[in-house]
Amino acid sequence: SQTIHQWPATLVQPVGSPLSLECTVEGTSNPNLYWYRQAAGRGLQLLFYSVGIGQISSEVPQNLSASRPQDRQFILSSKKLLLSDSGFYLCAWTPGSNQPQHFGDGTRLSIL
Amino acid sequence: QKEVEQNSGPLSVPEGAIASLNCTYSDRGSQSFFWYRQYSGKSPELIMFIYSNGDKEDGRFTAQLNKASQYVSLLIRDSQPSDSATYLCAVGGGYSTLTFGKGTMLLVSP
Repeated sequence: SQTIHQWPATLVQPVGSPLSLECTVEGTSNPNLYWYRQAAGRGLQLLFYSVGIGQISSEVPQNLSASRPQDRQFILSSKKLLLSDSGFYLCAWTPGSNQPQHFGDGTRLSIL
Repeated sequence: QKEVEQNSGPLSVPEGAIASLNCTYSDRGSQSFFWYRQYSGKSPELIMFIYSNGDKEDGRFTAQLNKASQYVSLLIRDSQPSDSATYLCAVGGGYSTLTFGKGTMLLVSP
C-alpha cells in the first residue's frame, strides 16, 4: 500500500531563516505531488504541484519554492522566512488524473 | 479564479441525527468532487468522491452531486460524536489539483 511521509511534524523558526520541508511517497511510482498551506482560520491553499521529476508549477507567487529531485520526493523551501509564512504545511499525492489526493500528517510551522 | 463555498458553521446535530453539509462551486466545467474530514490539528482525510450527477453511498455517508446547480452535498446518517470535525469540500481541476472550500464545522452532541 502507498504511504506518504512528511517531516518534521513541528518547526519553530526565526524570521529570516531558511526552510526545508520534505515529503516522500512510498509504494507508487510517478505520483502527482502537491504542497498546500493552511493558515489559522483559513482554507487550504495550493502552493505548488508536480507531475514529474523536475517539473514544478506554482499556484501563488510568494516567498517559497519547491523542487522534485526524485520521483517520490517533494521539497518545499525558502531562503528567508517571513512572519506570514506561519501555518500548517501539507503534502499530498495522487496516482493520476481526477483521482483523490491523500495527505501526509503535515508540518506545523511557527515563525518567531 | 475557481471558488468553492461552504457555510462555516458550526452545524450542530444530536447523536443519531442526519447531518447535511453543503457546497457550491463556481467552475461549471468541473468534473470531480471530493469531501475530506479534518479533525482539529490533523491533516485532511478523504471521506467520499463523486464524479457523476446523483447520489453515491458509502456506509453512513452519501455524497450528492447536481452539476446543473453546481452543488455538492454530504449526508452523514446516524451521526456520532466522533464525526465532530471540519468537513472540507474540494473541486478537482487540471493535473488533479484541488480547490478547497474553507470547511464546515460539524458538532455532534451525545
